[in-house]
Amino acid sequence: DQQVKQNSPSLSVQEGRISILNCDYTNSMFDYFLWYKKYPAEGPTFLISISSIKDKNEDGRFTVFLNKSAKHLSLHIVPSQPGDSAVYFCAATRPSGNTPLVFGKGTRLSVIA
Amino acid sequence: KAGVTQTPRYLIKTRGQQVTLSCSPISGHRSVSWYQQTPGQGLQFLFEYFSETQRNKGNFPGRFSGRQFSNSRSEMNVSTLELGDSALYLCASSFMGLGQETQYFGPGTRLLVL
Repeated sequence: DQQVKQNSPSLSVQEGRISILNCDYTNSMFDYFLWYKKYPAEGPTFLISISSIKDKNEDGRFTVFLNKSAKHLSLHIVPSQPGDSAVYFCAATRPSGNTPLVFGKGTRLSVIA
Repeated sequence: KAGVTQTPRYLIKTRGQQVTLSCSPISGHRSVSWYQQTPGQGLQFLFEYFSETQRNKGNFPGRFSGRQFSNSRSEMNVSTLELGDSALYLCASSFMGLGQETQYFGPGTRLLVL
């Protein structure tokens, strides 16, 4: 039973355009969501997070949107740069329950120059 | 501040053997979590240790075990290795542990079971 789903295994975007990565979750108890970026031969790096009390969080070129009613979140990268090419993992948790992060399977983003 | 370090980085074992992986967290961090990443799968939570105690455990067989030392360094052990145990094993550290705190990941140990 996959509680966090990233339905697009890969995505290709032109440099300078917007990249939109999507994530769906099934467990309504999740109330904190994170995105991690992973380069080959490295561990995942924290990118941005959002609490369920918000519907948007911005950090530079990265914005995460949360739609609680649809149990859907998305990561927008604007403008996309070649260095953004990596695998992006969506993760969800319930901090009050001290629960571990539940990760999606990841989306491989390729930004083409 | 030095990041999370994991040793060894690569390991080849044969079925039936056992293996021990090591993780040194960021200085001052007391929580260490272990994850398994296999091709086509996301990261799956193995267990978390905090102040030398296992605080949380994922859905893995008993062949997977771990421990944490007083200096917060952690080891993970897999006994009676199976082909399906071939994976990237990642550890992550944070100050207080699971929850809203950002976890910092190490580079991982890639284990190949032949």
